[in-house]
Amino acid sequence: DGGITQSPKYLFRKEGQNVTLSCEQNLNHDAMYWYRQDPGQGLRLIYYSQIVNDFQKGDIAEGYSVSREKKESFPLTVTSAQKNPTAFYLCASSRPGDYTSKLFFGSGTQLSVL
Amino acid sequence: AQKITQTQPGMFVQEKEAVTLDCTYDTSDQSYGLFWYKQPSSGEMIFLIYQGSYDEQNATEGRYSLNFQKARKSANLVISASQLGDSAMYFCAMREGGSSTLGRLYFGRGTQLTVWP
Repeated sequence: DGGITQSPKYLFRKEGQNVTLSCEQNLNHDAMYWYRQDPGQGLRLIYYSQIVNDFQKGDIAEGYSVSREKKESFPLTVTSAQKNPTAFYLCASSRPGDYTSKLFFGSGTQLSVL
Repeated sequence: AQKITQTQPGMFVQEKEAVTLDCTYDTSDQSYGLFWYKQPSSGEMIFLIYQGSYDEQNATEGRYSLNFQKARKSANLVISASQLGDSAMYFCAMREGGSSTLGRLYFGRGTQLTVWP
């Protein structure tokens, strides 16, 4: 079955450490997205990518980095510059630029700081 | 300005009753899509229903219907015959047709629905 796989489900970060969240999709979608979810704030866009080797900053990109070397993969790195990384992170994909197309989501990664 | 506004942080409904979750949106695009997602406590986002800006009829999917009032820029979700399993967080979202936004999805803050027996 086609879908989006996020790993790990739970991740812990030590002070000053960079951590990488994995996102893989086999839906053949060109567009991929990373959202951050904090309690009571809904989903906020971190980064998005419409095609391989291209990505754009979302609303809260500071302290995060991404790469898009393959169509299927869009990993998110939470750097030590992100001072408040504890949150639930959701990866999504869709057909690009088509406002009628829904986003498909992964099951999320809960990141906590030790 | 907020693109999507959900004014009900929490709603309660008795099993088998209908409930309406409010959503208003803000866009200057003529072409846009409105979506509702359900997020149970497990965290995954489940797509429920879609309404396009040019659709003349309200969308329906089983027990879910979307009350689309374009002039008022509202897209309320109606859940009929509520079930205990409907207890979850519900998000309203919008994608704009303009190329500047590159198809990103804007979300509201969500409404926590609790269904009681």
